[in-house]
Amino acid sequence: QQQVKQSPQSLIVQKGGISIINCAYENTAFDYFPWYQQFPGKGPALLIAIRPDVSEKKEGRFTISFNKSAKQFSLHIMDSQPGDSATYFCAASDETSGSRLTFGEGTQLTVNP
Amino acid sequence: GAGVSQSPSNKVTEKGKDVELRCDPISGHTALYWYRQSLGQGLEFLIYFQGNSAPDKSGLPSDRFSAERTGGSVSTLTIQRTQQEDSAVYLCASSLDFPGAGELFFGEGSRLTVL
Repeated sequence: QQQVKQSPQSLIVQKGGISIINCAYENTAFDYFPWYQQFPGKGPALLIAIRPDVSEKKEGRFTISFNKSAKQFSLHIMDSQPGDSATYFCAASDETSGSRLTFGEGTQLTVNP
Repeated sequence: GAGVSQSPSNKVTEKGKDVELRCDPISGHTALYWYRQSLGQGLEFLIYFQGNSAPDKSGLPSDRFSAERTGGSVSTLTIQRTQQEDSAVYLCASSLDFPGAGELFFGEGSRLTVL
């Protein structure tokens, strides 16, 4: 059962533009929502994460928006740079039960110079 | 080392052979995970070790797949009688094992090619 659905599958943005990646989840017990960034040939690395007690979290150019009622969350990358070109994965887990992360299918972001 | 270490980085094998993939987690991390990433696909959960608890094997795709973790540290993922559909990057990750410590630290993966 696919519990975290991510879109779009691929995204091309011009330098300086805003990149937006969306995720939707099904399990209402999920209480931890991270985003991971993966460069070619490397393992994914944590970028930013949010818990459902807040609706938005910002770290530099990266912002997570969270809509608990809609069971959706999104990643916004402001002033996108060519160095942001990577694959981005959203994920979710129910940390109170010690469950493992369930990942979305990934979005391949290309930022053109 | 400072990060999660996986070996081999690349493995080419013939259909029907057995392979072993090794993961050395970050020191002090009691949780260890194996994920599989097929070309252009997301991260498919395989197995999860948490301290001394019984592992969560719910993601293993068939009985040809098994994993063990010795001494609460190094883990080995074994694939018996490999098939072409087993070709993928196998990623290992570790994390601190307490509530709220959600960050997984991934290794660079072992790329398996089954001919």
